[in-house]
Amino acid sequence: AQKITQTQPGMFVQEKEAVTLDCTYDTSDPSYGLFWYKQPSSGEMIFLIYQGSYDQQNATEGRYSLNFQKARKSANLVISASQLGDSAMYFCAMRESGFGNEKLTFGTGTRLTIIP
Amino acid sequence: DTAVSQTPKYLVTQMGNDKSIKCEQNLGHDTMYWYKQDSKKFLKIMFSYNNKELIINETVPNRFSPKSPDKAHLNLHINSLELGDSAVYFCASRYRGGNTEAFFGQGTRLTVV
Repeated sequence: AQKITQTQPGMFVQEKEAVTLDCTYDTSDPSYGLFWYKQPSSGEMIFLIYQGSYDQQNATEGRYSLNFQKARKSANLVISASQLGDSAMYFCAMRESGFGNEKLTFGTGTRLTIIP
Repeated sequence: DTAVSQTPKYLVTQMGNDKSIKCEQNLGHDTMYWYKQDSKKFLKIMFSYNNKELIINETVPNRFSPKSPDKAHLNLHINSLELGDSAVYFCASRYRGGNTEAFFGQGTRLTVV
């Protein structure tokens, strides 16, 4: 079964609007971390935001926030007031606990295009 | 200063050749990784080392051999290159203690012709 599912292969959003990128995950591990990375066309992987499974509050980092719904196993990324520079691939990833699990399992990504 | 650096950034080589990709991190991290990103942009773990010890080997063909001479370096050697090895290879590192993010290198685009 897919551990990380991103159902939106591509999205187009008007500049200055908010955008939500969907991510659902599957794990039986009670301790895990959820991550979002941005990959612009230049190719580097940029860390955006992290949410721990035991964190009570949703994570926020500037214009990025993570809408964490543990019971639904979803960890959607919300970008407020989108900018042209937000155009990129966005990857949701999970890391489970335990020795040997210390790897990021990635979703297939969402290509976000911001329209001026 | 670059935190995780990979060399080379681009590598074009013929089938059957042997090549290496080098990775160095100056973050003081104790865990390093190699990920492969295929043509559909899917990222998958290949190997992970913690303090020079191999802890993850994710069913990668044994033509791929990682080597970690010290905590700050993790190199990837590939023997007998095949067309299907064409991909972007990312090195990453993190500090294993706690819930920390992985920092990625800029990637090495390998093209096998």
